[in-house]
Amino acid sequence: DIVMTQSPDSLAVSLGERATINCKSSQSVLHSSNNKNYLAWYQQKPGQPPKLVIYWASTRESGVPDRFSGSGSGTDFTLTISSLQAEDVAIYYCQQYYNTPRTFGGGTKVGIK
Amino acid sequence: QITLKESGPTLVKPTQTLTLTCTFSGFSLSTSGVGVAWIRQPPGKALEWLALIYWDGGDRYRPSLESRLTITKDTSKNQVVLRMTNMDPVDTATYYCARTYYDGGYFDLWGRGTLVTVSS
Repeated sequence: DIVMTQSPDSLAVSLGERATINCKSSQSVLHSSNNKNYLAWYQQKPGQPPKLVIYWASTRESGVPDRFSGSGSGTDFTLTISSLQAEDVAIYYCQQYYNTPRTFGGGTKVGIK
Repeated sequence: QITLKESGPTLVKPTQTLTLTCTFSGFSLSTSGVGVAWIRQPPGKALEWLALIYWDGGDRYRPSLESRLTITKDTSKNQVVLRMTNMDPVDTATYYCARTYYDGGYFDLWGRGTLVTVSS
C-alpha cells in the first residue's frame, strides 16, 4: 500500500494569512505514461462529508475558490490556501489514486489563530 | 443535480453482516468510465477506502478486508450495495459512498454518510 503522510497534524493561521499543508507519499504517484500525478485533496468540515478541492495534484475542482492551490510532483505535494478565510476552517486530506488500495493521509486540521 | 445517499442499519451486533445501499441520481453507472466507491471514517479518525465498482462490473477491494467485503451494482435501480461480514466494534464508522472514475480515481461527489455502530 502507498502510505500518505501529512504534516503538520494541525495549524492555526490568522485570517488573511497563508496556510500550507504538506503531503508525502511512500512511493511516487507520478504516472510516466501521461506525466500526471495521481493525487487529490479534500476538505472536510464538521458533520459533513469530504469535498473534493484539488485533483491531478494541481487542478482546482469547479467552484473551489482560487485561493486554494495544489503543487508538487512525485512524492511531495502541497496544498496552499493563499489567504485564509473563516469558512476554510476544516480538516484537509490528501489521497493517492495511483493504485489500489486508494489511500488517504491522516488529515491536517486548519484553524484560526 | 447529482446526489448520492447511503442507507442501512445504524446498529449491528458483533459477528453480524452489514448491508449498505448507495442510491444515486444525476448520473448512470452504465456510463463508460464511471464508478462508485465506499469509504469509511471511524469517529474522529481518518478516511479509509473500502471498495469500488465500475460501470463494466469490475471491482476492487481493500486487501486487508477483501475476505469480508462484497460490492455489487444494480444499474436499473441506480444502486450500489456493500456487504461486510463478521462485523466487529472496530468497524464502527460513518460509511460514505462516492462517485469515482476509471481513469482518475479521485472522488468528486460524496453522499452525506451513514453512521454504523457495532455493539452488542
